[in-house]
Amino acid sequence: SSELTQDPSVSVALGQTVRITCQGDSLRSYYASWYQQKPGQAPILVIFGKNIRPSGIPGRFSGSTSGNTASLTITGAQAEDEADYFCSSRDSTDNHFVFGPGTKVTVL
Amino acid sequence: QVQLQESGPGLVKPSETLSLTCTVSGDSISSDYWSWIRQPPGKGLEWIGYIYSSGSTNYNPSLKSRVTMSVDTSKKQFSLNLRSVTAADTAVYYCARVTAFYMQFDYYYYMDVWGTGTPVTVSS
Repeated sequence: SSELTQDPSVSVALGQTVRITCQGDSLRSYYASWYQQKPGQAPILVIFGKNIRPSGIPGRFSGSTSGNTASLTITGAQAEDEADYFCSSRDSTDNHFVFGPGTKVTVL
Repeated sequence: QVQLQESGPGLVKPSETLSLTCTVSGDSISSDYWSWIRQPPGKGLEWIGYIYSSGSTNYNPSLKSRVTMSVDTSKKQFSLNLRSVTAADTAVYYCARVTAFYMQFDYYYYMDVWGTGTPVTVSS
């Protein structure tokens, strides 16, 4: 089955822009979905599809895909965006799902 | 608005079976995929598998030999059984709804509703 890779951590200054990437062969066939998880809380969906935000997700979150790489961008990061971010996609060879290892975003 | 709530024992002995139930409220359980995901302490998310409302299933190959999922549409519940547990199965277990559709030549798959999670410890 496919694997997804993510950088373990990234930091961003308050109000600046940060991009988190997710790589994997499955992303050539299926869009990534992105999940934000704060300590002690369940993950929440922040981006899915080409670049679709569920209701209630701020407009500073956006997504994109190119080849085998999906990206989540936070434009104008806020203190409340400090969290772990996981990407996920359907496996390209079967009907399984896979998660990336997660990226810890620190807002300085 | 759909809400999910996990329930089950928080402590399971090694070699026994972990059994959890997820109750769906606010919407029908029909015509959707329902998934289990777990997260060991301090680690990332691991997809365990999903069950469709019709009862068809798909499991993570690494857990397939020990996992069984079932659904009871009349109770609006779906369940997870994980056999022969060890300490490595200690985790927070989440249930989630998987939304899947095809639109304008693209497939979309995502987990849009999650339960709050239930911690399970495997220990004697």
